[in-house]
Amino acid sequence: DTGVSQDPRHKITKRGQNVTFRCDPISEHNRLYWYRQTLGQGPEFLTYFQNEAQLEKSRLLSDRFSAERPKGSFSTLEIQRTEQGDSAMYLCASSFGLGPLGPQHFGDGTRLSIL
Amino acid sequence: DQQVKQNSPSLSVQEGRISILNCDYTNSMFDYFLWYKKYPAEGPTFLISISSIKDKNEDGRFTVFLNKSAKHLSLHIVPSQPGDSAVYFCAARGTGNQFYFGTGTSLTVIP
Repeated sequence: DTGVSQDPRHKITKRGQNVTFRCDPISEHNRLYWYRQTLGQGPEFLTYFQNEAQLEKSRLLSDRFSAERPKGSFSTLEIQRTEQGDSAMYLCASSFGLGPLGPQHFGDGTRLSIL
Repeated sequence: DQQVKQNSPSLSVQEGRISILNCDYTNSMFDYFLWYKKYPAEGPTFLISISSIKDKNEDGRFTVFLNKSAKHLSLHIVPSQPGDSAVYFCAARGTGNQFYFGTGTSLTVIP
């Protein structure tokens, strides 16, 4: 049983650079979520896909953030022109369901550090 | 605006006793609530959930209670075990399938 996989586990980059993270959900899961977590806080919702369609996007998400899920399988989250405030743990989660309910299974996250 | 709040950052309990973790929310439109457990350097792991049409759900040592009038839910762990030591997050589902998380409570179970 392979869980949700995220790559890389850690990313260190200079301010102003672009970064891209990848998430591979559990294979039969049709829903995929991205969250951001900073120290002392809970996960903060960023965006949500059902299959390949991006159905929800947090109003807190700036235009520098973009996410894709081509073919409804893996997903990528890109941050352009990174800023110090982007330093955080980025978590991906997936779930299966045709209805509204269903717990999410999280990956171990990608920790982003902006120098 | 923190719509889900966990006001106790930490909790210590003796092994074998009951652990009670609390969570308050502000949005009456939330319809599904979950508890997650998180170990260091790992992602959150789902523990138990409850729909807003119920007031209690039990799974082994874990029971979640929901009081909609008070906008309050709690997680009871009994008996508590040292392996339960972790950070616990409550979460709530809002409109559009967005999930809102609390800030977490760090539980320490003392052997």
